[in-house]
Amino acid sequence: SQTIHQWPATLVQPVGSPLSLECTVEGTSNPNLYWYRQAAGRGLQLLFYSVGIGQISSEVPQNLSASRPQDRQFILSSKKLLLSDSGFYLCAWSLPLAYGYTFGSGTRLTVV
Amino acid sequence: KNEVEQSPQNLTAQEGEFITINCSYSVGISALHWLQQHPGGGIVSLFMLSSGKKKHGRLIATINIQEKHSSLHITASHPRDSAVYICAVRKGANTGNQFYFGTGTSLTVIP
Repeated sequence: SQTIHQWPATLVQPVGSPLSLECTVEGTSNPNLYWYRQAAGRGLQLLFYSVGIGQISSEVPQNLSASRPQDRQFILSSKKLLLSDSGFYLCAWSLPLAYGYTFGSGTRLTVV
Repeated sequence: KNEVEQSPQNLTAQEGEFITINCSYSVGISALHWLQQHPGGGIVSLFMLSSGKKKHGRLIATINIQEKHSSLHITASHPRDSAVYICAVRKGANTGNQFYFGTGTSLTVIP
């Protein structure tokens, strides 16, 4: 069966520090991968999506970047965190041409 | 204006009550999802609908494509149903940027 792993679960980082959140999917090949952010009191916002290795599309201009070095690995990064980067970050995957959608357990990031 | 609107934003119910959460959307969709987000943040997919009605235990989801409206019903509500319920719509299956999310309905069920 397919599973999605996301870590760490919580993270407290100072302003200006770098960020790396990792997401991996098991049990499937060539998934579509997504990074979402949920700011306090707001809905989910799509940040990046990827339909293949090295293919990244950005939905919102921001302080973050994403990479997909392997088929089932999706990484969210920042060189210098801002206070406004605080929020709940969710990774998700879906199969191409399919409607099913699975979320990871999320990372709660607090920038101080 | 948000492409997906949910109501109510907040809902408090007594244990055992029948609960309805509504979702209206303004874009053409291929599927609609109901998601449940627990207090710790984890999200679980409850239903995926493209037409009609689905039932899972005490949860029932319906969709009316012509009216662009979906409802999530919880029968015999229980305190463990307390969570945020999110409606999400998908425009197509072959690209990555077609999901639109509602801001969620926060449900609290009191014993």
